[in-house]
Amino acid sequence: DIQMTQSPTSLSASVGDRVTITCQASQDIRNHLNWYQQKPGEAPKLLIYGASVLQSGDPSRFSGSGSGTNFTFTISGLQPEDTATYYCQQCDGLIPTFGGGTKVEIK
Amino acid sequence: QVQLQESGPGVVKPSQTLSLTCSVSGRSINSGSYFWSWIRQPAGKGLEWIGSIYSSGSTKYNPSLKTRVSVSLDASQNQFSLKLSSVTATDTAVYYCTRETEWLPSNWYFDLWGRGTLVSVSS
Repeated sequence: DIQMTQSPTSLSASVGDRVTITCQASQDIRNHLNWYQQKPGEAPKLLIYGASVLQSGDPSRFSGSGSGTNFTFTISGLQPEDTATYYCQQCDGLIPTFGGGTKVEIK
Repeated sequence: QVQLQESGPGVVKPSQTLSLTCSVSGRSINSGSYFWSWIRQPAGKGLEWIGSIYSSGSTKYNPSLKTRVSVSLDASQNQFSLKLSSVTATDTAVYYCTRETEWLPSNWYFDLWGRGTLVSVSS
């Protein structure tokens, strides 16, 4: 199986800050990488797919980049409603796997 | 608008079989090219993919659960189901049914999720 290592596991930042989360795959997954946002008590929601494509209707402060084994998710200008846990997920091959998650809180 | 809704017992005894159903509304489960999937999340922990069934009926399972898992599809009821046998306390989790969509060849994402249902394994 392809292992996904996400860091940090949690972070606290101020409103307006730039927040960066990284995700590393155990092998080359090209751009087959998705990001999800999960707010407390809710199901996860697809945010970014294909490593960098923002889901329609979602704020442009969310962005993703990377290919191969190293990926980055960025919130440019953190907002209170961004409090959530974010997960990366690889879809290279038939068996999908998730990163461990990053909990983002407002300082 | 396509929606997914999980249903099933909230408590299962150890060693028994966990059975859940996902009802799909707003679209025929046979239309389009999708994997209909199950994902679980223990309290305070991350997401674990369990298994999926394609609209044609082919299946794929998490290798760590493969010997205990079965996913099936009932097109007449527009539902798909999960069975997980020989459960233990470590199977206690919120179980989500989801839709996995191929947006480009060999590029998939989970774009629709049910609200999730908590299943506790307890005697």
